[in-house]
Amino acid sequence: DTEVTQTPKHLVMGMTNKKSLKCEQHMGHRAMYWYKQKAKKPPELMFVYSYEKLSINESVPSRFSPECPNSSLLNLHLHALQPEDSALYLCASSPPLNTGELFFGEGSRLTVL
Amino acid sequence: DAKTTQPPSMDCAEGRAANLPCNHSTISGNEYVYWYRQIHSQGPQYIIHGLKNNETNEMASLIITEDRKSSTLILPHATLRDTAVYYCIAVWRGKLIFGQGTELSVKP
Repeated sequence: DTEVTQTPKHLVMGMTNKKSLKCEQHMGHRAMYWYKQKAKKPPELMFVYSYEKLSINESVPSRFSPECPNSSLLNLHLHALQPEDSALYLCASSPPLNTGELFFGEGSRLTVL
Repeated sequence: DAKTTQPPSMDCAEGRAANLPCNHSTISGNEYVYWYRQIHSQGPQYIIHGLKNNETNEMASLIITEDRKSSTLILPHATLRDTAVYYCIAVWRGKLIFGQGTELSVKP
Protein backbone atom coordinates (compact mmCIF):
# COMPACT_ATOMS: atom_id res chain seq x y z
CA ASP A 1 0.00 0.00 0.00
CA THR A 2 1.72 3.16 -1.21
CA GLU A 3 -1.21 5.50 -0.88
CA VAL A 4 -2.09 8.47 1.22
CA THR A 5 -5.86 8.59 1.52
CA GLN A 6 -7.70 11.81 2.27
CA THR A 7 -11.36 12.19 3.20
CA PRO A 8 -13.61 13.80 2.33
CA LYS A 9 -12.65 14.70 -1.24
CA HIS A 10 -14.98 17.69 -1.16
CA LEU A 11 -16.33 19.65 1.79
CA VAL A 12 -18.62 22.66 1.93
CA MET A 13 -19.02 24.37 5.26
CA GLY A 14 -20.37 27.55 6.74
CA MET A 15 -18.27 29.96 8.74
CA THR A 16 -19.79 28.78 12.02
CA ASN A 17 -19.41 25.07 11.36
CA LYS A 18 -16.87 22.68 12.87
CA LYS A 19 -15.55 20.03 10.52
CA SER A 20 -12.49 17.83 10.15
CA LEU A 21 -10.30 16.63 7.32
CA LYS A 22 -8.75 13.18 7.65
CA CYS A 23 -5.61 11.64 6.24
CA GLU A 24 -4.43 8.04 6.50
CA GLN A 25 -1.34 6.14 5.39
CA HIS A 26 -0.24 2.56 5.99
CA MET A 27 3.32 2.79 4.70
CA GLY A 28 4.84 2.97 8.18
CA HIS A 29 5.84 6.58 7.61
CA ARG A 30 6.60 8.58 10.75
CA ALA A 31 6.36 12.11 9.35
CA MET A 32 3.10 13.63 8.14
CA TYR A 33 2.31 17.01 6.65
CA TRP A 34 -0.55 19.37 5.87
CA TYR A 35 -0.31 21.75 2.93
CA LYS A 36 -2.82 24.33 1.68
CA GLN A 37 -3.09 25.14 -2.02
CA LYS A 38 -5.06 27.99 -3.54
CA ALA A 39 -5.98 27.94 -7.22
CA LYS A 40 -3.05 28.53 -9.58
CA LYS A 41 -0.63 28.77 -6.62
CA PRO A 42 1.97 26.35 -5.23
CA PRO A 43 1.23 24.31 -2.10
CA GLU A 44 1.98 26.13 1.17
CA LEU A 45 3.29 24.20 4.14
CA MET A 46 1.06 24.39 7.22
CA PHE A 47 2.08 21.73 9.72
CA VAL A 48 4.57 18.89 10.09
CA TYR A 49 4.30 15.99 12.54
CA SER A 50 7.21 13.74 13.36
CA TYR A 51 6.58 10.62 15.45
CA GLU A 52 3.10 11.95 16.32
CA LYS A 53 4.49 15.19 17.70
CA LEU A 54 4.01 18.59 16.09
CA SER A 55 7.43 19.72 14.88
CA ILE A 56 6.59 22.58 12.51
CA ASN A 57 3.72 25.08 12.59
CA GLU A 58 4.12 27.66 9.85
CA SER A 59 2.27 30.38 11.80
CA VAL A 60 -1.10 28.96 10.86
CA PRO A 61 -4.18 30.66 12.41
CA SER A 62 -5.68 28.81 15.38
CA ARG A 63 -8.92 28.15 13.49
CA PHE A 64 -6.91 25.29 11.95
CA SER A 65 -6.09 22.67 14.58
CA PRO A 66 -4.02 19.63 13.60
CA GLU A 67 -4.07 16.33 15.42
CA CYS A 68 -2.04 13.16 15.00
CA PRO A 69 -3.77 10.43 17.05
CA ASN A 70 -1.39 7.70 15.87
CA SER A 71 1.34 7.11 13.33
CA SER A 72 -1.13 6.31 10.54
CA LEU A 73 -3.63 9.11 10.99
CA LEU A 74 -3.56 12.86 10.66
CA ASN A 75 -6.53 15.15 11.17
CA LEU A 76 -7.10 18.82 10.52
CA HIS A 77 -9.90 20.28 12.62
CA LEU A 78 -11.60 23.33 11.17
CA HIS A 79 -13.58 25.91 13.12
CA ALA A 80 -14.79 29.41 12.37
CA LEU A 81 -13.18 29.48 8.95
CA GLN A 82 -13.37 32.37 6.53
CA PRO A 83 -14.25 32.24 2.82
CA GLU A 84 -10.58 32.94 2.00
CA ASP A 85 -9.72 29.60 3.62
CA SER A 86 -11.35 27.86 0.68
CA ALA A 87 -8.59 25.82 -0.93
CA LEU A 88 -7.28 22.35 -1.67
CA TYR A 89 -5.82 20.82 1.49
CA LEU A 90 -3.10 18.28 0.81
CA CYS A 91 -1.78 15.68 3.20
CA ALA A 92 1.59 14.01 2.74
CA SER A 93 3.79 11.51 4.52
CA SER A 94 7.46 10.57 4.42
CA PRO A 95 9.49 7.71 5.95
CA PRO A 96 11.56 9.76 8.39
CA LEU A 97 11.33 13.53 8.77
CA ASN A 98 14.67 14.32 7.18
CA THR A 99 13.86 13.24 3.67
CA GLY A 100 12.31 15.35 0.96
CA GLU A 101 10.55 12.42 -0.68
CA LEU A 102 6.95 13.00 0.29
CA PHE A 103 3.95 10.94 -0.73
CA PHE A 104 0.94 13.17 -1.30
CA GLY A 105 -2.74 12.40 -1.18
CA GLU A 106 -5.19 13.71 -3.76
CA GLY A 107 -6.37 16.44 -1.43
CA SER A 108 -9.60 17.62 0.14
CA ARG A 109 -11.23 20.52 -1.64
CA LEU A 110 -12.76 22.86 0.93
CA THR A 111 -15.31 25.56 0.21
CA VAL A 112 -16.25 27.96 2.99
CA LEU A 113 -19.49 29.85 2.45
CA ASP B 1 15.84 27.74 2.82
CA ALA B 2 17.29 28.52 -0.59
CA LYS B 3 14.99 30.20 -3.07
CA THR B 4 14.61 28.59 -6.48
CA THR B 5 13.73 30.35 -9.72
CA GLN B 6 12.02 28.66 -12.65
CA PRO B 7 10.51 29.92 -15.90
CA PRO B 8 6.72 30.19 -15.48
CA SER B 9 5.90 28.15 -18.56
CA MET B 10 7.41 26.01 -21.31
CA ASP B 11 6.18 24.08 -24.31
CA CYS B 12 7.55 20.79 -25.60
CA ALA B 13 6.66 18.66 -28.61
CA GLU B 14 5.49 15.15 -27.88
CA GLY B 15 8.32 12.63 -28.18
CA ARG B 16 11.03 15.25 -27.75
CA ALA B 17 13.13 15.80 -24.65
CA ALA B 18 11.83 18.36 -22.19
CA ASN B 19 14.58 20.29 -20.39
CA LEU B 20 13.35 22.24 -17.40
CA PRO B 21 15.86 24.66 -15.83
CA CYS B 22 16.06 25.80 -12.23
CA ASN B 23 18.28 28.40 -10.59
CA HIS B 24 19.21 27.98 -6.93
CA SER B 25 22.19 30.27 -6.56
CA THR B 26 21.86 30.55 -2.76
CA ILE B 27 21.68 26.83 -2.11
CA SER B 28 23.71 25.66 0.89
CA GLY B 29 25.91 22.61 1.05
CA ASN B 30 23.30 20.73 3.10
CA GLU B 31 20.39 21.30 0.76
CA TYR B 32 19.30 18.73 -1.77
CA VAL B 33 17.58 19.62 -5.03
CA TYR B 34 14.21 17.90 -5.35
CA TRP B 35 11.83 17.88 -8.28
CA TYR B 36 8.11 17.28 -8.04
CA ARG B 37 5.32 17.61 -10.53
CA GLN B 38 1.63 18.25 -10.10
CA ILE B 39 -0.82 17.16 -12.72
CA HIS B 40 -4.05 19.14 -12.69
CA SER B 41 -6.31 18.32 -9.73
CA GLN B 42 -3.89 15.77 -8.29
CA GLY B 43 -1.41 15.84 -5.41
CA PRO B 44 2.25 16.57 -6.16
CA GLN B 45 4.34 13.60 -7.22
CA TYR B 46 8.01 13.08 -6.41
CA ILE B 47 10.24 12.76 -9.49
CA ILE B 48 13.91 12.79 -8.53
CA HIS B 49 16.46 14.42 -6.24
CA GLY B 50 20.20 15.00 -6.01
CA LEU B 51 22.92 16.71 -4.01
CA LYS B 52 25.99 17.04 -6.24
CA ASN B 53 26.00 14.24 -8.76
CA ASN B 54 23.75 13.79 -11.74
CA GLU B 55 20.94 11.35 -11.15
CA THR B 56 18.71 9.22 -13.36
CA ASN B 57 15.67 7.11 -12.65
CA GLU B 58 12.83 5.65 -14.65
CA MET B 59 11.05 8.99 -14.86
CA ALA B 60 13.76 11.56 -15.51
CA SER B 61 17.37 12.70 -15.29
CA LEU B 62 18.69 15.47 -13.08
CA ILE B 63 21.76 17.45 -14.10
CA ILE B 64 23.30 19.63 -11.38
CA THR B 65 26.02 22.12 -12.26
CA GLU B 66 29.36 21.73 -10.56
CA ASP B 67 28.87 24.91 -8.51
CA ARG B 68 25.35 23.68 -7.58
CA LYS B 69 23.83 27.03 -8.48
CA SER B 70 21.49 25.55 -11.07
CA SER B 71 20.03 22.29 -12.28
CA THR B 72 18.04 20.87 -15.18
CA LEU B 73 15.35 18.22 -15.11
CA ILE B 74 15.24 16.19 -18.31
CA LEU B 75 12.23 14.18 -19.43
CA PRO B 76 13.81 12.22 -22.27
CA HIS B 77 10.70 11.50 -24.37
CA ALA B 78 7.86 13.75 -23.27
CA THR B 79 4.30 12.49 -23.63
CA LEU B 80 0.99 14.31 -23.35
CA ARG B 81 0.64 12.86 -19.85
CA ASP B 82 3.74 14.80 -18.78
CA THR B 83 1.77 18.05 -19.03
CA ALA B 84 1.95 19.39 -15.48
CA VAL B 85 3.46 22.01 -13.20
CA TYR B 86 7.04 21.07 -12.31
CA TYR B 87 8.53 22.28 -9.05
CA CYS B 88 12.22 22.54 -8.22
CA ILE B 89 12.78 22.70 -4.45
CA ALA B 90 15.88 23.09 -2.30
CA VAL B 91 15.33 20.84 0.70
CA TRP B 92 17.05 20.59 4.03
CA ARG B 93 15.83 18.37 6.84
CA GLY B 94 12.70 17.39 5.01
CA LYS B 95 11.10 20.84 4.85
CA LEU B 96 9.55 21.22 1.39
CA ILE B 97 8.76 24.81 0.47
CA PHE B 98 7.31 24.99 -3.04
CA GLY B 99 8.15 27.85 -5.40
CA GLN B 100 6.03 28.95 -8.34
CA GLY B 101 7.11 26.12 -10.63
CA THR B 102 7.11 25.73 -14.42
CA GLU B 103 3.92 24.86 -16.25
CA LEU B 104 5.00 22.41 -18.94
CA SER B 105 2.66 21.89 -21.87
CA VAL B 106 3.44 18.90 -24.08
CA LYS B 107 1.85 19.37 -27.48
CA PRO B 108 1.11 16.76 -30.17
